[in-house]
Amino acid sequence: KNQVEQSPQSLIILEGKNCTLQCNYTVSPFSNLRWYKQDTGRGPVSLTIMTFSENTKSNGRYTATLDADTKQSSLHITASQLSDSASYICVVSSPRGSGSARQLTFGSGTQLTVLP
Amino acid sequence: DAGVTQSPTHLIKTRGQQVTLRCSPKSGHDTVSWYQQALGQGPQFIFQYYEEEERQRGNFPDRFSGHQFPNYSSELNVNALLLGDSALYLCASSLALLRGDEKLFFGSGTQLSVL
Repeated sequence: KNQVEQSPQSLIILEGKNCTLQCNYTVSPFSNLRWYKQDTGRGPVSLTIMTFSENTKSNGRYTATLDADTKQSSLHITASQLSDSASYICVVSSPRGSGSARQLTFGSGTQLTVLP
Repeated sequence: DAGVTQSPTHLIKTRGQQVTLRCSPKSGHDTVSWYQQALGQGPQFIFQYYEEEERQRGNFPDRFSGHQFPNYSSELNVNALLLGDSALYLCASSLALLRGDEKLFFGSGTQLSVL
């Protein structure tokens, strides 16, 4: 069964500190992995996408890594800001049979709270 | 350029009632997916519509049905509501998911409470 596990479930840090969120998956075959940020009361917004051949990708203060061998990804947030408080969701994409249709498996998210 | 819009934003129903949620996709998008998100959980896939047909379906009972209109907007219908149907219902649009472009643009959701 395809699964995406995220840790920690919740995290509280002080403004200006760094943090790392983890995503482990058992999805196979693998197409790509996306990190989404979901603010309270809003829909998720894509932060970055990692494909099989990519190890590291940065988007401003967000840096995602992917180890396709161990099926692990991380999202590192540098110099956190109050606006980083949100749920961060890992989504893994897998091909569905013939053609190019995709199946998406969502993690439960890590709830990050940044305190002043 | 309008993003994904959903209506209503909040809804309160009682057990056994029926509800219809609406979604307009991002301009230029032709594929709409619906998700159910319980508090503290990630979104769970309900179904996806493309070319006015249901193309994929998650593990949800037949009480959950949908429709896509020629203008690509979509409706989610839930019959015989149960307390457990209380959740945030998210609509996501994309451009031809079946062609592999699976970046989803989400609406802000409809918060459904079943009493």
